[in-house]
Formats: sequence, structure tokens, C-alpha cells
Amino acid sequence: NAGVTQTPKFQVLKTGQSMTLQCAQDMNHNSMYWYRQDPGMGLRLIYYSASEGTTDKGEVPNGYNVSRLNKREFSLRLESAAPSQTSVYFCASSEGEGGTQYFGPGTRLLVL
Amino acid sequence: AQSVTQLDSQVPVFEEAPVELRCNYSSSVSVYLFWYVQYPNQGLQLLLKYLSGSTLVESINGFEAEFNKSQTSFHLRKPSVHISDTAEYFCAVSELGDNQGGKLIFGQGTELSVKP
Repeated sequence: NAGVTQTPKFQVLKTGQSMTLQCAQDMNHNSMYWYRQDPGMGLRLIYYSASEGTTDKGEVPNGYNVSRLNKREFSLRLESAAPSQTSVYFCASSEGEGGTQYFGPGTRLLVL
Repeated sequence: AQSVTQLDSQVPVFEEAPVELRCNYSSSVSVYLFWYVQYPNQGLQLLLKYLSGSTLVESINGFEAEFNKSQTSFHLRKPSVHISDTAEYFCAVSELGDNQGGKLIFGQGTELSVKP
């Protein structure tokens, strides 16, 4: 089992460019999540999907969109990147309430 | 709204000394509580969690945490740390019965630095 995989591992964008971060899990989990990690701020939830076909906003959704393509895949899109979106992005999945979240290795994004 | 506060951003400690990483939460409903660990340049991995039952929970590598409902705390302790415990530790909370897929709210993290 690969667990949770994320692509790309590292990306540099110019302000205004768009990109999609990909995430896939092979554990048949119902729930998937996108977080961003910034120094001194812990992890903050951007969007989550409690089950296939549903998505909801987290703490910091502005500037992002998501798609739960199927049960395995949950993508995060930046339509017009801004320097404030420079961060490390983590995808995670779990069985749901009370379940352990399993994290991917992260995507390091730099917006110039 | 729920929130999590980790009271120390950095904790330096010598090898074989005891350590406590503090975590307090606020929530208007019952919660599940988690500690995750992040080693350098890696994703997070679960260290231990409290769902119900005994308020003292343990990990396989010697950490333990105690759920204290009256003080809304979930402090992490280890009686004797190793160099390999150097990492960042995150406390997180999830609310019961919120039908929100088990989403977590994380604290700011505590960097544990174990010195020889």
C-alpha cells in the first residue's frame, strides 16, 4: 500500500498563475482533507470531504477550490496564486469521525 | 468554535530527562483528542489518541497523555527522552457527532529538541 500520495513534491509559481495539487489514497477511506502548514501556525484546514461527492470549507478556504474526483482522489486548485499561498500543503485521509488521519509527504509551494 | 492551544512553541531538553508538552483545548461539545508527530521533512503521523474509556493513553514508543476533562487538557509526557524523539509535536481535537468527517483542528505545534 502506498498510503497517501501527493504530486508534485515541489512547485514554484508566479503570482497569478494557476495549478492543481493532486492527492490519492489507497486505503478506501471515506474522508479526505487538505491542510496548509506555516511556521508557528500549525496545520490549518483548507477544505475537506467527508464522503465521496461532498466537499466543505475548513478554516482557510479563500483562494482555493477542491474536487473529490472519486473515493480515491481529492485535488486542490489555486486559480490565481498569491505570495500569501506560499506554504507546505498536506493531504490526509481517514475513515471518518475518530479515525486516524494518514498524511501524505506534502507539497512545498513557492509563489513569487 | 473549537480551538487548541499548545503552551510551548519550543522545548529543549537533555537526553534521558523527562518531558511534558502541554495542550489545552476549548469546545462546547465532547471531543476526541490526538497527538501527531512530524519528523523533519516528513508528513505527520499519529502518536496516540483518546476516543473514550481510560483517560490515560499510551504510544508504542513510551509517550503517554492524559485526558483531563475538567481542565480541558491533554498533556503529552515521556519519562525519559531519546535523541530520536527530536521532532515537532501537534495536538489536535475533533468534535463528536458533528457529521463533518472527523476533521481536525490543530494546535500551533511544539518543537521538541533533545540534546546529548
